[in-house]
Amino acid sequence: QVQLVESGGGVVQPGGSLRLSCAASGFTFSIYGMHWVRQAPGKGLEWVAFTRYDGINKNYADSVKGRFTISRDNSKNTLYLQMNSLRAEDTAVYYCAKPVAAANAFDYWGQGTLVTVSS
Amino acid sequence: DIVMTQSPDSLAVSLGERATINCKSSQSVLYSSNNKNYLAWYQQKPGQPPKLLIYWASTRESGVPDRFSGSGSGTDFTLTISSLQAEDVAVYYCQQYHSTPPITFGQGTRLEIK
Repeated sequence: QVQLVESGGGVVQPGGSLRLSCAASGFTFSIYGMHWVRQAPGKGLEWVAFTRYDGINKNYADSVKGRFTISRDNSKNTLYLQMNSLRAEDTAVYYCAKPVAAANAFDYWGQGTLVTVSS
Repeated sequence: DIVMTQSPDSLAVSLGERATINCKSSQSVLYSSNNKNYLAWYQQKPGQPPKLLIYWASTRESGVPDRFSGSGSGTDFTLTISSLQAEDVAVYYCQQYHSTPPITFGQGTRLEIK
């Protein structure tokens, strides 16, 4: 069965960096684009970033552009999110999400990893 | 960016009654080339990730009970729960994937039992 397992969250000071990982299994990771979506405590869902199946095409939300980098290693079935220059407003649960084939609706989500940016 | 606006923000419905949640997009999410609406609905329970209920505005995800249905086209959409069950208490989100980036979500609708 499809599994997405995020890791790498934690507490970091403003201006710091963190790298999140998402280990995928149960499907052919290398043929799917993948996404990161976040949710601030008690708030709604915010799409963060996308990488095409081959890692060449990437898109970002304006709120993270220039600070976050999405990447993937298809040999390890792993998705990454490098987060630099972190701000308090980046505090959230970060989910990796797999889209339905041919549609960017997300049929599988990880359990999420909490990132807290605080001094 | 396409703005998604849900109504109401919260809703209380009696068990066995119909629940209706609306979602309006600031631009059409219908692609005329394939006549598909790029609109999805999710259910999120506390402490859990969202669960996909509906995509292409009306296609029910595998395993989702048939009391959940989606309708609408263009800019106006509805999620209907035909007979509310206790396990349906959750927050519901709509999402557009038509004009991306960015993918955008509605603000959420909290559904409770009356």
